[in-house]
Amino acid sequence: AQSVAQPEDQVNVAEGNPLTVKCTYSVSGNPYLFWYVQYPNRGLQFLLKYITGDNLVKGSYGFEAEFNKSQTSFHLKKPSALVSDSALYFCGGLLSGAGSYQLTFGKGTKLSVIP
Amino acid sequence: GAVVSQHPSWVICKSGTSVKIECRSLDFQATTMFWYRQFPKQSLMLMATSNEGSKATYEQGVEKDKFLINHASLTLSTLTVTSAHPEDSSFYICSAPRTSGFRDTQYFGPGTRLTVL
Repeated sequence: AQSVAQPEDQVNVAEGNPLTVKCTYSVSGNPYLFWYVQYPNRGLQFLLKYITGDNLVKGSYGFEAEFNKSQTSFHLKKPSALVSDSALYFCGGLLSGAGSYQLTFGKGTKLSVIP
Repeated sequence: GAVVSQHPSWVICKSGTSVKIECRSLDFQATTMFWYRQFPKQSLMLMATSNEGSKATYEQGVEKDKFLINHASLTLSTLTVTSAHPEDSSFYICSAPRTSGFRDTQYFGPGTRLTVL
């Protein structure tokens, strides 16, 4: 079955350290993958997307994600974490079926950046 | 488990008519719900935050008079696309957060596909 998964419920990282939020996918055909961030009491905000092209995708707020076809992963990364990066992060994928696409999400990962 | 439903799942309407889309949290209460719009093969974009008992908060660039949001109860939010035009054709998705323990879990509706002729 096609799916997007985030294996970690929570990630803690010290301010200034690099951060990684993991996402793996299982889709047929070429994957369309996205990352979103949700701050408290706010809706999802788009960070970045991979459709085709370079495997390293750069997005908002200094985030980037690396598409790895062999590992079927699309991990979100940032070289130096800020306290303000603390939020819920969702990985999403467009899954194809019956001639249409449906956006589906992982369960989300709570990122806590510790001062 | 918690479920969010949307109705209808697919609607086709004539240009100039208004369409109402419902978003319901089925076994939990949601004081806040979110409405998103997704274009074909594109990412999902936040349109507005629906607040129970108060006015919705719209994202920049979203016309509040075009996309009317009403959060009448703790389990129901409605999005009305007024005077719909073909460019409003899209996939509309709602979500509702549910707090459990130390975190909120976001539950998404299945989406409503709007086609304006």
